[in-house]
Formats: sequence, structure tokens, C-alpha cells
Amino acid sequence: EAQVTQNPRYLITVTGKKLTVTCSQNMNHEYMSWYRQDPGLGLRQIYYSMNVEVTDKGDVPEGYKVSRKEKRNFPLILESPSPNQTSLYFCASSLREKVAEAFFGQGTRLTVV
Amino acid sequence: GQQVMQIPQYQHVQEGEDFTTYCNSSTTLSNIQWYKQRPGGHPVFLIQLVKSGEVKKQKRLTFQFGEAKKNSSLHITATQTTDVGTYFCAGNGGATNKLIFGTGTLLAVQP
Repeated sequence: EAQVTQNPRYLITVTGKKLTVTCSQNMNHEYMSWYRQDPGLGLRQIYYSMNVEVTDKGDVPEGYKVSRKEKRNFPLILESPSPNQTSLYFCASSLREKVAEAFFGQGTRLTVV
Repeated sequence: GQQVMQIPQYQHVQEGEDFTTYCNSSTTLSNIQWYKQRPGGHPVFLIQLVKSGEVKKQKRLTFQFGEAKKNSSLHITATQTTDVGTYFCAGNGGATNKLIFGTGTLLAVQP
């Protein structure tokens, strides 16, 4: 089954404790991205990757890191989480950036206390 | 930078009433996509429009792309409780090659 898998689904952590949210897709998609969803703000792009070893900042990259060592995986890293990073995070992939539907993971609800 | 706004932010309708959400971009878009997110779920692709003035229908849903390719609308005829959720538009445009999502419209349908 074609899918985007995120883990964990729920995470509560403390300020400053490094964490990684994993994302994996099995559709051989070139393009992957991370979004955060906050009430009233919609989906805001954090980082995106157009292919292996090619990543770029989205609209809200501060406090996040990503890597794309393999085509299928695109982990999101929070080196030192802060409470303002409490949010619902989605990973998405598509065959290519433009003119291609995005497939979303199930989401990761992160709480930083 | 490019911004995509949606109105209204929230709408509550009685089952059977019509519903429309509007999407407006600050820049010309090469295409527009629409997604639906059920409560507690993730966004799911509905449709994509590419041509200026394009209109597409999916059963009770009608999607339009403006002539200037800066706005779009989603109209639902005779809403049902299964239509509940947040509807997002998303556009490609500008020099950055990014897919920018609108702020979303939350639709509540009362039986």
C-alpha cells in the first residue's frame, strides 16, 4: 500500500531534549517536505527536499534540521525543542514539486513542556 | 513572500445547505490544489486545477480557478455530515517553487 509513515504519532518532551521525528515513503517520490499545523495558521512549510542530499528552507525553518540521505526517508530533527514548537507536524511526499498531489503522513502531535 | 488566504475561517451549516470557501493568492499561481482534512486526520488530496478559468466537478463539489490564476473556490452543494472537515487550498507560484497552503476553512455540518 502506498503510504507515508511518520513516527511517533504522539510525543511529549521537555525543553532542550533533542528529538527526531521519522518520515518514510514507499512511493519512490522525489519531493518530500515537513509542515507544521497550528490553529488559524494552516499548514506552514518547515523544510523541503527535492531529491537525495538536496534540502532547502521553507517558511518556518528556525529551530529545525532535516536530512535526506536516502530517497525514502526524510527525518525532522529538533536539536533543542522549545514550547513554541508544540504543534501538529506532517510529513508529505510527491512525485515532483509542481503539478503533483502531495501524500501526507498521519501526523505527529508534539508537546514541549 | 507569497501568501495564500482563505475565507471564511470557519462555517457552520445545516445539512442540505450549500457551502463555499474562497482562496486568494498574493501572486499568480501555476496551479492550485485542494485538500480535505477530516477531524483528527491528515490532509487528503481532492483535485488540481491548472488552466485559467478551469472548472472541475466531483459529484457535489465544484472547483474553480480564476481567470487571473490568483484565486480559486470550492463549492459544495447540499452538504452532508460526511463533508465535515477542514478544506485547504494550496498553490505553486512565484520564484521559490514551493507549495504554499492556505489557512484553511473548517466546515461544520449540523444534521
